[in-house]
Amino acid sequence: GENVEQHPSTLSVQEGDSAVIKCTYSDSASNYFPWYKQELGKRPQLIIDIRSNVGEKKDQRIAVTLNKTAKHFSLHITETQPEDSAVYFCAASTRDDKIIFGKGTRLHILP
Amino acid sequence: DTAVSQTPKYLVTQMGNDKSIKCEQNLGHDTMYWYKQDSKKFLKIMFSYNNKELIINETVPNRFSPKSPDKAHLNLHINSLELGDSAVYFCASSQDNAQYFGPGTRLTVL
Repeated sequence: GENVEQHPSTLSVQEGDSAVIKCTYSDSASNYFPWYKQELGKRPQLIIDIRSNVGEKKDQRIAVTLNKTAKHFSLHITETQPEDSAVYFCAASTRDDKIIFGKGTRLHILP
Repeated sequence: DTAVSQTPKYLVTQMGNDKSIKCEQNLGHDTMYWYKQDSKKFLKIMFSYNNKELIINETVPNRFSPKSPDKAHLNLHINSLELGDSAVYFCASSQDNAQYFGPGTRLTVL
């Protein structure tokens, strides 16, 4: 069935460095790829998304890239700050209009 | 001015009881969802409604019954609660794929 794999499950980076989280998907009909940030005890919040007709999208310190041929997409956070510490989820739409989530990456920003 | 709201925020109950969680959105979205997030943080879709009509029903026990009285509301009723039902349940609404989550209901079954 449809599947979204996310790596790594945990990531620690020094404050100011960049963080990269990678995802792969299985459904060739997927055309929408959102990223969510979930802080401890809070709801997942949409931080950026990309559609299949675009290869890259940037919003201030965060950027997403999409490679449809290889079926993978990535989240890049530059100049990381303590408030970036959270769990990040990638997701992909499916041919029957569901959103399938990856298992999450716990990002720690070290002082 | 909360966009997607859920009640209650916390729910502690005994095994075997029946409970309901309510969700409301004021975004004017046509589609609403229920997700379950377990202790490992996995987010799994349970149900989806579009304009009051059930469109996605994942492999969820019959003890779970969603109800959508109108397109702004989606409630979840759970019968005969079991220990394994303990989780955080998130409601969400969407338009054009982008999903907006409610604050979650932490259900603890004792």
